[in-house]
This record gives sequence, C-alpha cells and structure tokens, in this order.
Amino acid sequence: AQSVTQLGSHVSVSEGALVLLRCNYSSSVPPYLFWYVQYPNQGLQLLLKYTTGATLVKGINGFEAEFKKSETSFHLTKPSAHMSDAAEYFCAAFTNTGNQFYFGTGTSLTVIP
Amino acid sequence: DTGVSQNPRHKITKRGQNVTFRCDPISEHNRLYWYRQTLGQGPEFLTYFQNEAQLEKSRLLSDRFSAERPKGSFSTLEIQRTEQGDSAMYLCASSIEVTNEKLFFGSGTQLSVL
Repeated sequence: AQSVTQLGSHVSVSEGALVLLRCNYSSSVPPYLFWYVQYPNQGLQLLLKYTTGATLVKGINGFEAEFKKSETSFHLTKPSAHMSDAAEYFCAAFTNTGNQFYFGTGTSLTVIP
Repeated sequence: DTGVSQNPRHKITKRGQNVTFRCDPISEHNRLYWYRQTLGQGPEFLTYFQNEAQLEKSRLLSDRFSAERPKGSFSTLEIQRTEQGDSAMYLCASSIEVTNEKLFFGSGTQLSVL
C-alpha cells in the first residue's frame, strides 16, 4: 500500500524567505516522486520529479527537492519566495506495481509581502 | 502539443440528473486518468485507461459512474442520478511514458449538484 503525507496544510512565508514544504511517503517499493503546483482555477502543473539517479532534483521556477530514502521524505524547497509562488502544492508518488498516482492532501502556500 | 482539454469547465445540475464530462488527452498519450478533487483534498484516483482498455477502477467509482475511452482517444465520464456528494472538481490527466510516468493535467470540470 502507498500513501503520501504532507505536513502542514497551510504554510506562510515572507517574500524572499526560504520555502520548505514537507512530504513523506509510505511505499513497499521505491516510488517515483513528484511535486505538482495548482494555481486557482487551473489544473495541476508538474514542478519536478524524482525517478532514479541523483537524489537532488531541480524543477521549474527555482524549486528543488531531495529524495531521502532513509527518511522516506521528498521535501520541496526554494531559497527565496516570490509572490507568484502562492499556490497549492501537491506531493505525489507512483509505482509501476500500482499504476496510479497517490497524492497528498496538499499544502497551501501564502507569500507575505 | 495543445495540452489536455476538458469540457465543460463548469457544470451545475440538479440532484438525480445525469451528467457527462469529456476529456481530450494530449495526442499519442496512451494512458488516461480520471481523478476527483474536493476542497482541501488532493486528487483521488478514480480510474485509468491504457489505450481503450479500462485497466483499473477505484472503489470510489460507484455503479453510478462509468467511463469510456472509445478508440483510445478522448474519454467520457458519466455520472448517473447525481447526488450532492458528487460535487467536486473532476480532473483528467494523460501520460505517455511507461516507466517514468509524468502526468499532464487538464483544467478540470467543476461539478455542482444542487
């Protein structure tokens, strides 16, 4: 069985501050891991993904995430928040054995000017 | 690449009515997924197709729900005898990669059942 847990349904940061959104997964096999962003009234857009290889992956808009197998985590970070980063962020896991994506409940990011 | 297209964007219906949504995936994407998303929740898997074959259905997909993907291109999701609990955003996504799945999502159909 798989599950994805996002700690913190709401995160607020000041503009220019570090963004840290937490994601932990539970999987019987190593999953592929993804972060998606959803802006109001829009579909989900892929930020970045981890499949194999380098555990630190870089995505669009300056975001990056590090896969830590020992901690079963895939936290999303950005060194300096921008007002345009305000959105809902979803962590997701996929395994070939399940053939489907499992999404976390999402974290709403607010950027304070 | 025109992206995943979903129609309609919004649907308001009365309880007990039937509704049908359409999804046009990115051309040549052989996998197509339907998800449901309610406020404050992440997308929940409903079903997925590999070409025209419906390979998996979630327990969330009651008998009132049916999905088709004739000819392996566009897909439809029908809800019969809608209930207020069906109110949600219905998302469609498609993918082509087999071992490194990446989903491309449509903008969704927002269903409101009155």
